[in-house]
Amino acid sequence: DIQMTQSPSSLSASVGDRVTITCRASQGISNYLAWYQQKPGKVPKLLIYAASTLQSGVPSRFSGSGSGTDFTLTISSLQPEDVATYYCQKYNSAPFTFGPGTKVDIK
Amino acid sequence: EVQLVESGGGLVKPGGSLRLSCAASGFTFSSYSMNWVRQAPGKGLEWVSSISSSSSYIYYADSVKGRFTISRDNAKNSLYLQMNSLRAEDTAVYYCARSLAAAGTCDYWGQGTLVTVSS
Repeated sequence: DIQMTQSPSSLSASVGDRVTITCRASQGISNYLAWYQQKPGKVPKLLIYAASTLQSGVPSRFSGSGSGTDFTLTISSLQPEDVATYYCQKYNSAPFTFGPGTKVDIK
Repeated sequence: EVQLVESGGGLVKPGGSLRLSCAASGFTFSSYSMNWVRQAPGKGLEWVSSISSSSSYIYYADSVKGRFTISRDNAKNSLYLQMNSLRAEDTAVYYCARSLAAAGTCDYWGQGTLVTVSS
């Protein structure tokens, strides 16, 4: 099975900073990659699918890129409401594995 | 408005069984693949199982294969997860989630139901 890794596992940044999270697949998955945001105590929310397509209603400061094995989620200007754990997920074929998550907080 | 409401969680002894249900509304349930995703306390998300719109395609995580069975009733707009031979490591919040388009991607999530496996 394809393994998903994320880095860093956590980060602390200032409001307004540009934040980048990396997700890596152990084998190529084309662009079958989604990103989710889970705020503390809340249900996960889909941010991006097909590696770079923004889900409806998601702020434009979020963007995704990548294909094959290496993907990134970028927050162009970190806001206090972005404090959350971010997960990537592959969906090219089952199992639809999630990455371990990256916890983002404000410095 | 899309709504997914899970039920059926609770406390069960190791080796026991539980059946989770998910009632869907606000969309044409029979047109969408559906998923179960779980989250152990303080841990990350774990995909559990997916089922296509007509039940033609069903997938399971290795960790639950042979013990869990996903099913759906399109006439009742409902998704189910039959969980047998439960283990302590199955303790988690179980979320029902709708697939965006491709199976596995989850665009709407329920609030989750807690399953605790303990003696």
